[in-house]
Amino acid sequence: SYELTQPLSVSVALGQTARITCGRKNIGSKNVHWYQQKPGQAPMLVIYRDSNRPSGIPERFSGSNSGNTATLTISRAQAGDEADYYCQVWDSSTLVFGGGTKLIVL
Amino acid sequence: EMQLVESGGGLIQPGGSLRLACAASGFTVSSNYMIWVRQAPGKGLAWVSVVYSGGSAYYADSVKGRFTISRDNFKNTLYLQMNSLRAEDTAVYFCARDWGPDGLDAFDIWGQGTMVTVSS
Repeated sequence: SYELTQPLSVSVALGQTARITCGRKNIGSKNVHWYQQKPGQAPMLVIYRDSNRPSGIPERFSGSNSGNTATLTISRAQAGDEADYYCQVWDSSTLVFGGGTKLIVL
Repeated sequence: EMQLVESGGGLIQPGGSLRLACAASGFTVSSNYMIWVRQAPGKGLAWVSVVYSGGSAYYADSVKGRFTISRDNFKNTLYLQMNSLRAEDTAVYFCARDWGPDGLDAFDIWGQGTMVTVSS
């Protein structure tokens, strides 16, 4: 089955840059989407098609995808960015999520 | 405002059935790919099912043969019929809209989730 690998957690100091990865062989050939989920809330789309931000998402959020790794980058991290982040792709007619990464803002 | 509101969750005994509903407003369910995703307590997101705008439906292996996705175009509502429920189906269930014109894209609108607990 198609699997996406994410680190369980990433820590970042307040105001610094966090990078969350999503790995799979040749993921660069897929469109990767990223979601933020805070406790008790529904997921929210923060990056679509590798590097595009939906309306209302701060410019601090950016994405890239090449080779075997897609990356979500959060610049100037804020306390409010602390959440779980999930990458997502389509594999034929199957939707696949990464296992999720907990972003901890120190 | 585009919105999805789920309902129908609750406590159900193993082997029982439940039907979840996802009422849409501000857009037409039948014009978009729509999905159900679930999240077991303390766990990550897991895809359950998708229905294409053309009507084709697909399921995760874990629910195939037990769950059925459908929609009522008149009520503009998405459904998930869940039969032969197991303890491992316990989760918050979310519905979501694929925003791409041709589907197989990202999900921009999510419901608030409805909790399903399977326990005796």
